[in-house]
Amino acid sequence: ILNVEQSPQSLHVQEGDSTNFTCSFPSSNFYALHWYRWETAKSPEALFVMTLNGDEKKKGRISATLNTKEGYSYLYIKGSQPEDSATYLCASTMDSSYKLIFGSGTRLLVRP
Amino acid sequence: EPEVTQTPSHQVTQMGQEVILRCVPISNHLYFYWYRQILGQKVEFLVSFYNNEISEKSEIFDDQFSVERPDGSNFTLKIRSTKLEDSAMYFCASRRYQLSTDTQYFGPGTRLTVL
Repeated sequence: ILNVEQSPQSLHVQEGDSTNFTCSFPSSNFYALHWYRWETAKSPEALFVMTLNGDEKKKGRISATLNTKEGYSYLYIKGSQPEDSATYLCASTMDSSYKLIFGSGTRLLVRP
Repeated sequence: EPEVTQTPSHQVTQMGQEVILRCVPISNHLYFYWYRQILGQKVEFLVSFYNNEISEKSEIFDDQFSVERPDGSNFTLKIRSTKLEDSAMYFCASRRYQLSTDTQYFGPGTRLTVL
């Protein structure tokens, strides 16, 4: 069974707080790990695609790390803003079809 | 910036009716996908499509489902006889290359409600 898990399920923080979430995935047959940001009624927005162990990616205040040997990725948001409120999805690809296997998401709410 | 579009945004249908969900992938993309999310559950893969044929399908994608790329721009998902359990948000996605580093771009989804 190929299972991708995310924690926490939801997170409420104050504006200005830094926060992080976890994505765990099977470390065998790993191809890539994707992070998406999804606001209701909009398309999930691609944040990062990571493939190499130790990979670190950054986009503005958001960054992500990848550990393929132990099967986890962290997403960090520095100085959260209300506009960061969204559901953050991670997904793994584990074969050459590159179909995405999703976690259940972390719903972030940033209070002004 | 190019984007994946989907129509309609919301479809309500009676059980047993046929529905067609439409997607326009990004124009130079070659690989196409349908996913769905039942309320409260994870987003799950349905089918992938390349070169006018299905590359892979999940167990969910039974004989009631079909996909088509009728005119080189649209990519459709048809459900022949809808069931209550088909109620979900259906997402279309596309990608340019078949590389592990390539991004899948998603549309905003069609919410299907089967009554």
